[in-house]
Amino acid sequence: DQQVKQNSPSLSVQEGRISILNCDYTNSMFDYFLWYKKYPAEGPTFLISISSIKDKNEDGRFTVFLNKSAKHLSLHIVPSQPGDSAVYFCAASYSSASKIIFGSGTRLSIRP
Amino acid sequence: NAGVTQTPKFQVLKTGQSMTLQCAQDMNHNSMYWYRQDPGMGLRLIYYSASEGTTDKGEVPNGYNVSRLNKREFSLRLESAAPSQTSVYFCASREKQAFFGQGTRLTVV
Repeated sequence: DQQVKQNSPSLSVQEGRISILNCDYTNSMFDYFLWYKKYPAEGPTFLISISSIKDKNEDGRFTVFLNKSAKHLSLHIVPSQPGDSAVYFCAASYSSASKIIFGSGTRLSIRP
Repeated sequence: NAGVTQTPKFQVLKTGQSMTLQCAQDMNHNSMYWYRQDPGMGLRLIYYSASEGTTDKGEVPNGYNVSRLNKREFSLRLESAAPSQTSVYFCASREKQAFFGQGTRLTVV
């Protein structure tokens, strides 16, 4: 049973527009959420995180929103750039030291 | 500035052979993890270690064993490799966010 779900395998966005990647989770005990970006043949790299005590966290072009009642989080990238083309993984954990469960990823393509 | 180092980067095994994937981190993190990545499946947790001396099963532990040798090192062992274990394996360490190694691409024929 998937505890972290990314239902869109792929997303195509025009350069300069907003990219919105979505993620749902089933376990209400998760209290820390992370987004990772992955290029081919490289390890995932951390993008941004959010604690369950917040509903929004912003870092430059990246903003993560958390809706605890809906068990849903989203990553907004504004404006989208060609270098943002990659696979994005949503992840969740119970605490900063526990296991981290990942979603299946969304492949984002930024078109000119 | 090494971060998380995995060896080897590539490996081809025959069915039934054994091997150990090595992972070391130099960030003094307590928690370490082993994941596998397969097409369409994302990153699935095999085993993790919350601190030196402890290990716990993740989502897909069958066919694997781990050793947390010390705070720096966390190894993953395949005792009898099977074609279903063909995958890309990632090691990670963590305080708040996890840092990943570059991965080991394993093919079992």
